[in-house]
Amino acid sequence: QKEVEQDPGPLSVPEGAIVSLNCTYSNSAFQYFMWYRQYSRKGPELLMYTYSSGNKEDGRFTAQVDKSSKYISLFIRDSQPSDSATYLCAMSAGGTSYGKLTFGQGTILTVHP
Amino acid sequence: ETGVTQSPTHLIKTRGQQVTLRCSSQSGHNTVSWYQQALGQGPQFIFQYYREEENGRGNFPPRFSGLQFPNYSSELNVNALELDDSALYLCASSSRDSSSYEQYFGPGTRLTVT
Repeated sequence: QKEVEQDPGPLSVPEGAIVSLNCTYSNSAFQYFMWYRQYSRKGPELLMYTYSSGNKEDGRFTAQVDKSSKYISLFIRDSQPSDSATYLCAMSAGGTSYGKLTFGQGTILTVHP
Repeated sequence: ETGVTQSPTHLIKTRGQQVTLRCSSQSGHNTVSWYQQALGQGPQFIFQYYREEENGRGNFPPRFSGLQFPNYSSELNVNALELDDSALYLCASSSRDSSSYEQYFGPGTRLTVT
């Protein structure tokens, strides 16, 4: 079993839809949670960063972390064609594991006009 | 503020050869981590450099090695290339001294081994 599981999709939605992306994990030591967006043949771009459980909102993006369920989510409101990309969840235990991110497989999202 | 840069952009090598990839960290960042991303997969952690020393390593063989320089830039060296080494190699920089876990990635180097 992988430490981080992410539904690879692909996910196709109409413009303006609310998108929900999810990851589950097995390592209870994970404390730092990130979402990255990666366009084709480019490096990942940091979207959201959260520590421990709770919600964080930034514009059209909301990240949720539920450590009791080992489950994290990213919501995208009013999705746009420019949101079409691969979304990667990533997490770290911190401490001696500083800098070691464990990624999900990535979910391919297409937003069509 | 200067972002993370990597060179070269693309590289084609033959099995058995050696390759060196380069990374310049974002301004103010002192820690560089390297990742391998196979097609259709998430990045896999190779190792991290902090204060010019390797500080954490993933499940990669010793033929993957690296360096960090006093200006915090870094190199990834891969010896005895295998076909499975074909991937996008990413470096990410962060500021360990500030206890921030946010990592910022470069555009990557796409390595093809034939």
